[in-house]
Amino acid sequence: AQKITQTQPGMFVQEKEAVTLDCTYDTSDQSYGLFWYKQPSSGEMIFLIYQGSYDEQNATEGRYSLNFQKARKSANLVISASQLGDSAMYFCAMRDVLSGNTPLVFGKGTRLSVIA
Amino acid sequence: DAGVIQSPRHEVTEMGQEVTLRCKPISGHDYLFWYRQTMMRGLELLIYFNNNVPIDDSGMPEDRFSAKMPNASFSTLKIQPSEPRDSAVYFCASSLDSISYEQYFGPGTRLTVT
Repeated sequence: AQKITQTQPGMFVQEKEAVTLDCTYDTSDQSYGLFWYKQPSSGEMIFLIYQGSYDEQNATEGRYSLNFQKARKSANLVISASQLGDSAMYFCAMRDVLSGNTPLVFGKGTRLSVIA
Repeated sequence: DAGVIQSPRHEVTEMGQEVTLRCKPISGHDYLFWYRQTMMRGLELLIYFNNNVPIDDSGMPEDRFSAKMPNASFSTLKIQPSEPRDSAVYFCASSLDSISYEQYFGPGTRLTVT
């Protein structure tokens, strides 16, 4: 079974500052993928970034980077230079990547508020 | 290319009524997922299909829920009879093939059962 834990229900960050959203996971799978999704107040789910368990480099996508520490089973999302539009719910998710295209298992989410 | 399309976007119904949610995946995508989002349980899988065949329906809450995918471009999620605890946002997502990592989500259907 897979489990995602996001321990921060809510976070505040000043505009233009960097912020780290925590995510820890548990799985017995040898190969897995880790994902971050953004859900603004409008409700849609927006894919942000992906990290494969065997990727040696941390994933980066623009202002988003994923701080992957396999031994600690953590996959924290770092947002640099926060913008007001970054205010949203952020979900960490994972899935097995060896058994075809399997469903995502999500954490409970972290609500990020960016303050001007 | 159009993204995943869901209809209706909002549905308000009375307890006991039948509700049908619809999803059109991205053209050419082999995988289709139905997720439900509630405050209490977060985002959880209900069922998913590969090439129109249901692969795992262990997340379907009970017999009141059923899902079909009659062809590659259409899926339905039906609740009969509906109950207030079914109130949630229902997302449909699709993915290209077995090695693609990204799942593309539709805008969701917000269901309210009174």
